[in-house]
Amino acid sequence: GAGVSQSPRYKVAKRGQDVALRCDPISGHVSLFWYQQALGQGPEFLTYFQNEAQLDKSGLPSDRFFAERPEGSVSTLKIQRTQQEDSAVYLCASSPRGAQNEQYFGPGTRLTVT
Amino acid sequence: RKEVEQDPGPFNVPEGATVAFNCTYSNSASQSFFWYRQDCRKEPKLLMSVYSSGNEDGRFTAQLNRASQYISLLIRDSKLSDSATYLCVVNRYSSASKIIFGSGTRLSIRP
Repeated sequence: GAGVSQSPRYKVAKRGQDVALRCDPISGHVSLFWYQQALGQGPEFLTYFQNEAQLDKSGLPSDRFFAERPEGSVSTLKIQRTQQEDSAVYLCASSPRGAQNEQYFGPGTRLTVT
Repeated sequence: RKEVEQDPGPFNVPEGATVAFNCTYSNSASQSFFWYRQDCRKEPKLLMSVYSSGNEDGRFTAQLNRASQYISLLIRDSKLSDSATYLCVVNRYSSASKIIFGSGTRLSIRP
């Protein structure tokens, strides 16, 4: 079956530009997570949705980062006025009801801010 | 100090060897523990959950020591295909939310 998909796979943005990263979770998965992974590091938690509700956004590094999941399926992570330190791989993961710790990751979006 | 710490490696071992690595966590209230595997430039994939009683999945054995707050992963009869980064994952809660990943331990199996 189809796994988690993310688009675009690669994004180059000039400093100051806004970007939007999309995540299509596995159909029927209620939980959706966004992570940021810098080179040589593990994924860092950004935010978590259960259906359309954003239950935890404590990992978002600044108010330039915003995530939404309006219909409880597709999610978008938006970064405003990108900075060089935002360069990283952004991973999306989803998990089914009752097995929230079993996370299925998408391939990630590699963001490079120049 | 990071909440989840791992030896970054790399561990370079010959095919067929047994290799083990540990992960320590600082929050004693942590409830759920996992090992994920991440291949180069790929996404992490769940390898196995870690239970207090220890658990085994084929050549892989995971152990949890709550008193000392560490988790271990043992790989027996290592294969070339085991070469990857192994991520230790800790969740403070029984349900998902704040899931903490370690930085990973790189393993390289040589022929």
